Amino acid sequence: EDQVTQSPEALRLQEGESSSLNCSYTVSGLRGLFWYRQDPGKGPEFLFTLYSAGEEKEKERLKATLTKKESFLHITAPKPEDSATYLCAVTLSGSARQLTFGSGTQLTVLP
Amino acid sequence: SAVISQKPSRDICQRGTSLTIQCQVDSQVTMMFWYRQQPGQSLTLIATANQGSEATYESGFVIDKFPISRPNLTFSTLTVSNMSPEDSSIYLCSVDDRNTDTQYFGPGTRLTVL
Repeated sequence: EDQVTQSPEALRLQEGESSSLNCSYTVSGLRGLFWYRQDPGKGPEFLFTLYSAGEEKEKERLKATLTKKESFLHITAPKPEDSATYLCAVTLSGSARQLTFGSGTQLTVLP
Repeated sequence: SAVISQKPSRDICQRGTSLTIQCQVDSQVTMMFWYRQQPGQSLTLIATANQGSEATYESGFVIDKFPISRPNLTFSTLTVSNMSPEDSSIYLCSVDDRNTDTQYFGPGTRLTVL
């Protein structure tokens, strides 16, 4: 069975304290891995897509990396406005492009 | 990126009634998806809606409970039928943008069933 697991479930950081969120996946064939940010009461906001092991993408204080088994979302010197739930999702080879989501990591950055 | 709107943004409904949620996108897209996000949970795919064909439902979701329409390439509706408190969730539509190979999400409809 295809599975996407995110850890930790929740993370509290002080402003400026860098850390990483993990997304591990067990799937029959990975087509793409996606990271989204979701603020309370809003729909997910697209951040990154990764396709192959070794690929990296950056946006402001965020950097996403991908290996054959997992992805990391690194947050460098976070600010309170980075507080949100970060969702990881995958699409599968040969699938009709549906996203399978992990359970998310709720990040709180304290000032 | 595609701009997606949903109506209503929220609603409070009585048990046994039905609610239709609308999803409008500002460009033509082939594939639209409907997701459910139960309180404190992640997103679960309900169905895929393609224009000109019947929606494809995921395991655990049936057409009688969640009928979907897709009359054109910019619009879709999801109806939540014969509602119970267990249907209280956020319902989200998304579109598959082939140009960027990305799914974009609408703002969601927060449904509370009393």
